[in-house]
Amino acid sequence: DVKVTQSSRYLVKRTGEKVFLECVQDMDHENMFWYRQDPGLGLRLIYFSYDVKMKEKGDIPEGYSVSREKKERFSLILESASTNQTSMYLCASETDGTEQFFGPGTRLTVL
Amino acid sequence: GDSVTQMEGPVTLSEEAFLTINCTYTATGYPSLFWYVQYPGEGLQLLLKATKADDKGSNKGFEATYRKETTSFHLEKGSVQVSDSAVYFCALITVGTYKYIFGTGTRLKVLA
Repeated sequence: DVKVTQSSRYLVKRTGEKVFLECVQDMDHENMFWYRQDPGLGLRLIYFSYDVKMKEKGDIPEGYSVSREKKERFSLILESASTNQTSMYLCASETDGTEQFFGPGTRLTVL
Repeated sequence: GDSVTQMEGPVTLSEEAFLTINCTYTATGYPSLFWYVQYPGEGLQLLLKATKADDKGSNKGFEATYRKETTSFHLEKGSVQVSDSAVYFCALITVGTYKYIFGTGTRLKVLA
């Protein structure tokens, strides 16, 4: 069974903290994505990676960075968390544009 | 740029009612079209897809037809169940790009 896992389902952090969200896929997919999901706005792409150590900015990269040191793992980093980064974060992976596989999401609250 | 527009929800139906969720798109190339579903507390999962004009995607009683002339990919189901209550996302990807474009999602609530 194909799987994308995310390190936490729920996370509560304080303003200014550095936050790491981890995503792991077991399908040997080339491409991995980080989205945030907010009511009324749907999914917005933060960053994606098409190979190890390769990354491209999505639509809303400000305040975020990413790391992909291994093919199966894609990390999203909030350098200094702010309250407007409270959201649901979804990781996804795919290879050839035929289907994205999503993790269960991490609901992050920044106080 | 490319975009996807979905009807706003929430959509509330009684069990066994007919469902239509409208989706239209704008794309410069030749996109593949998708419907994803998100059940409460879960990530998105692919419901169905179509890769070229006039293709019909189907799964679990849901259907959608890729209409190039109207740039639409409306989702339909003849008889909804309570278990279909979820958020439905229309999406596209243009050949040769990595970037998926998602609609804002339509919440469906089915009442017993």
